[in-house]
Amino acid sequence: AQTVTQSQPEMSVQEAETVTLSCTYDTSESNYYLFWYKQPPSRQMILVIRQEAYKQQNATENRFSVNFQKAAKSFSLKISDSQLGDTAMYFCAFEVFNDMRFGAGTRLTVKP
Amino acid sequence: ETGVTQTPRHLVMGMTNKKSLKCEQHLGHNAMYWYKQSAKKPLELMFVYSLEERVENNSVPSRFSPECPNSSHLFLHLHTLQPEDSALYLCASNNLAGLFRESGELFFGEGSRLTVL
Repeated sequence: AQTVTQSQPEMSVQEAETVTLSCTYDTSESNYYLFWYKQPPSRQMILVIRQEAYKQQNATENRFSVNFQKAAKSFSLKISDSQLGDTAMYFCAFEVFNDMRFGAGTRLTVKP
Repeated sequence: ETGVTQTPRHLVMGMTNKKSLKCEQHLGHNAMYWYKQSAKKPLELMFVYSLEERVENNSVPSRFSPECPNSSHLFLHLHTLQPEDSALYLCASNNLAGLFRESGELFFGEGSRLTVL
């Protein structure tokens, strides 16, 4: 069974600094997709970044980038130049054959 | 209206009440989902509807009853719930990945916060 583990329930970072959120997963599949979703307080969850497992190059979206280590089954999210609006729950997710599994989330607080 | 809309945003009910959660998507997607979000736990997939047919039911208690009258609307009917059912219920939609395994990014509503007394 596919599982997703986020080992950091809560994190905080000072505004303008960089923070890395960790995620590991377990699967026997070789082709799959990984996601980071962001859920701001009282707002809907939105996609932050996506990575296809068959691509070796790490995905990047503006200030958000991932470190995808396929052999280690690790998929961390780096947020550069953190902003107050980055305060949210962040969920790591794994998808194969339309079956998407989520981690328990990391609550990130950006401090002014 | 755009995206995925859920109503009500907040609901408080007694254990003997009957209520319903509603979800509407305006994205033309062919699949809709109900997830349960509890504190410090992974999102739990409850139900999946593809082309208005239920394709997955992850051992959800019968006190939760889904309904998908068309591809744009999804309901979750609630009856004789327990206090441990208190949670944020999220609706999501997407287009299921096809033969070439394109990923099916989920689009979520804001959720319905349910409290069972």
